[in-house]
Amino acid sequence: DAGVTQSPTHLIKTRGQQVTLRCSPKSGHDTVSWYQQALGQGPQFIFQYYEEEERQRGNFPDRFSGHQFPNYSSELNVNALLLGDSALYLCASRRSGRGYEQYFGPGTRLTVT
Amino acid sequence: QKEVEQDPGPLSVPEGAIVSLNCTYSNSAFQYFMWYRQYSRKGPELLMYTYSSGNKEDGRFTAQVDKSSKYISLFIRDSQPSDSATYLCAMSENSGYSTLTFGKGTMLLVSP
Repeated sequence: DAGVTQSPTHLIKTRGQQVTLRCSPKSGHDTVSWYQQALGQGPQFIFQYYEEEERQRGNFPDRFSGHQFPNYSSELNVNALLLGDSALYLCASRRSGRGYEQYFGPGTRLTVT
Repeated sequence: QKEVEQDPGPLSVPEGAIVSLNCTYSNSAFQYFMWYRQYSRKGPELLMYTYSSGNKEDGRFTAQVDKSSKYISLFIRDSQPSDSATYLCAMSENSGYSTLTFGKGTMLLVSP
């Protein structure tokens, strides 16, 4: 059983550019959340998708947007990149109703220069 | 005051030691408590989760929750060099839409 997968592994972008990160959830999971982890910090919640709708959103600007597809996979889009957006972006998946049992992917390391 | 406080360490112990990792929190609505292990440049790995107060044991790992003190702990018995990683505590208010709130993580170094 494949766990949560994310692509790409690493990404280097320039300030002002746009980026799309992708996530495939663990088999049987229908809810996907995205987190941002800065160096030396714990993950910070960005948003959560269930049934192709954004259900919860953390304290992130509208430059961060997402999407969930019918097969439960998800994308995170970030527009107008800032240097401060450099971080490890983590996708977590779970079954609905089991918020305490979230499984994380390996992350995408984004560097903004 | 941050919602979840965790000493960043590093915590250095010799192989075989008992390790105690702790978090405090301020939000009394938290009901679910999780511990994740994160190796360098990898995603967090779920170790254990507990509901409300009490203890839970899984192999060499024991999680304790004291809601009256807003304090949770993870104990690792017979620590191994392979346990060297950052340990993150996380909490949520419910099992539905509630999201995870993490501590900063404690770096653990187990020397042979």
